[in-house]
Amino acid sequence: QSALTQPPSVSGSPGQSVTISCTGTSSDVGSYSRVSWYRQPPGTAPKLMIYDVTYRPSGVPPRFSGSKSGNTASLTISGLQAEDEADYYCSSYTSSNTHVFGTGTKVTVL
Amino acid sequence: QMQLQESGPGLVKPSETLSLTCTVSGGSMSNIPYYWGWIRQSPGKGLEWIGTIFYTGSTDYNPSLKSRVTISVETSKNQFSLSLTSVTAADSAVYYCARRSGDYYHFSSWGQGTLVTVSS
Repeated sequence: QSALTQPPSVSGSPGQSVTISCTGTSSDVGSYSRVSWYRQPPGTAPKLMIYDVTYRPSGVPPRFSGSKSGNTASLTISGLQAEDEADYYCSSYTSSNTHVFGTGTKVTVL
Repeated sequence: QMQLQESGPGLVKPSETLSLTCTVSGGSMSNIPYYWGWIRQSPGKGLEWIGTIFYTGSTDYNPSLKSRVTISVETSKNQFSLSLTSVTAADSAVYYCARRSGDYYHFSSWGQGTLVTVSS
């Protein structure tokens, strides 16, 4: 299985919005609403930010939102803050009962 | 709140078997429909799903690693384990254990990760 495709980096100034795309296939992202997003600051374990495309776990601020269209899912961070600077990974469950992660995107707050 | 902690050797020789254990605290693994998984991250690289085991013992593995991977669970000890055979330098990575609820398809809890280096 191939990794989902994400842009290597995105950046924005504090207060702005950034969107990270995650492109897969009809066998993963396009098949189900089983896309999740994780944030990983340097040297730490990933933390769940979005699940089932649009749902936020308890404690994740509403400025994090997710969406999906066809084989591409997206994570939008509104009102960018310095603490949002991290690597972000998407993940999808697949039609083969496996999980696949994205290539990762580094978010830089200018 | 369940917590997960990886343990095992930090250095493994090429061609040998990498063995790691994840200990779950703050709750029992028995008779609760959770999936327990292993994910790894090579230095400076992205996340790679290795495999998952259901509390019943059924497993799913990454096709690219399936021939070398075994995940097992020992609910009486509140632990699950990873075995990866015939390792090479490409298997050097931070290995994370994680938990997935049975009705969902994301990993909601993660261990802090343990670095394993394959070198002679």
